[in-house]
Amino acid sequence: GAGVSQSPSNKVTEKGKDVELRCDPISGHTALYWYRQSLGQGLEFLIYFQGNSAPDKSGLPSDRFSAERTGGSVSTLTIQRTQQEDSAVYLCASSLALAGSGSRQYFGPGTRLTVT
Amino acid sequence: DQQVKQNSPSLSVQEGRISILNCDYTNSMFDYFLWYKKYPAEGPTFLISISSIKDKNEDGRFTVFLNKSAKHLSLHIVPSQPGDSAVYFCAASVSAGGGSNYKLTFGKGTLLTVNP
Repeated sequence: GAGVSQSPSNKVTEKGKDVELRCDPISGHTALYWYRQSLGQGLEFLIYFQGNSAPDKSGLPSDRFSAERTGGSVSTLTIQRTQQEDSAVYLCASSLALAGSGSRQYFGPGTRLTVT
Repeated sequence: DQQVKQNSPSLSVQEGRISILNCDYTNSMFDYFLWYKKYPAEGPTFLISISSIKDKNEDGRFTVFLNKSAKHLSLHIVPSQPGDSAVYFCAASVSAGGGSNYKLTFGKGTLLTVNP
């Protein structure tokens, strides 16, 4: 079946503008994650959704970042008033959340965000 | 502070030889470890994982070793092939029993180049 998809694949925006990044997880996956990878860095956890539970927002770097997951499927990551340090590849992953052990996460291709 | 460290940013090996990628962690709560492989312009893909109740897991040419007392894991690829050339990320999670919070903490990655 289809993997995780993300759109757009590339986004260039001016500093101060808002951007929305979209993620379509694998059908049936109840867990959804957003990560970002800045230049020369590893993947940094941003936010996690699991079913109808309150999301784990512990990784969001500032209150300019927010995310929604509608109907337990598609997720949108919104960055308000973008700054140059927001430039990164934003990766979405989904998984079957299995109790008792870490669950394999499937990643999308990412959205490369460039703030000029 | 980095909880998962990959101290070698790059590694170069000859085709047919063994590749050994290393990873250290500092958080003793981590109990599930994964290796992901990433090609340019693609999302990371899952390679192999190991639970903290084991010290070795093998899948074809890939073997992961875990030394809990040293908080160290390694990925062995034997024999290495040119198609293995990619960035390899080590990741760790706290499975939290049935809490199902599986956010991954990643290292910065090691670029493996396998020369023909």
